[in-house]
Amino acid sequence: KNEVEQSPQNLTAQEGEFITINCSYSVGISALHWLQQHPGGGIVSLFMLSSGKKKHGRLIATINIQEKHSSLHITASHPRDSAVYICAAESPGNSGGSNYKLTFGKGTLLTVNP
Amino acid sequence: NAGVTQTPKFRILKIGQSMTLQCTQDMNHNYMYWYRQDPGMGLKLIYYSVGAGITDKGEVPNGYNVSRSTTEDFPLRLELAAPSQTSVYFCASSYLMTGGFPYNEQFFGPGTRLTVL
Repeated sequence: KNEVEQSPQNLTAQEGEFITINCSYSVGISALHWLQQHPGGGIVSLFMLSSGKKKHGRLIATINIQEKHSSLHITASHPRDSAVYICAAESPGNSGGSNYKLTFGKGTLLTVNP
Repeated sequence: NAGVTQTPKFRILKIGQSMTLQCTQDMNHNYMYWYRQDPGMGLKLIYYSVGAGITDKGEVPNGYNVSRSTTEDFPLRLELAAPSQTSVYFCASSYLMTGGFPYNEQFFGPGTRLTVL
């Protein structure tokens, strides 16, 4: 069973700061997901990656397969970035393809103050 | 597309009552999931379905039942509600091809906040 740990649990930043959220997992994966949960509760997928780095706007996700570690970075943070950020590990399926199950971290609550 | 819709948004139950949480998706996804989210905890899988007529247990299935008679709908039934079932429930769906799609991107509904008193 994959264990997924996130740090920090809570993060408060000032607008404009560079933010880093970390995620580590215990066993090999086929993909690592980053999701965002807004105060209203809705959950949306931000990134899925199995190697290297992905960028979308001010968000950057990186993964180091050897170290079983991923980071989510937010550049020039803004109050609207305030949300819970969740990482989830997708384990390889028996056929080598995707597994339908994700193992979720507990989330990081980010608050960006103006 | 409406995506994944859930009803109701909020519900208060008394201990021992029963209810059904509704979930519908209009993306023709084959996989559907029910999760619960407790404060300070990660999402936990209750039940999942790989297609109409096929369901299976997740990590925390006790006290719940599901059915999947159509591709679109995946209701979650709570029988004899207990305070331990107080939680936020999320339905999600994804499309996985035979042999596995590269990544299992899941699309989530808005959630149902359930309180059992």
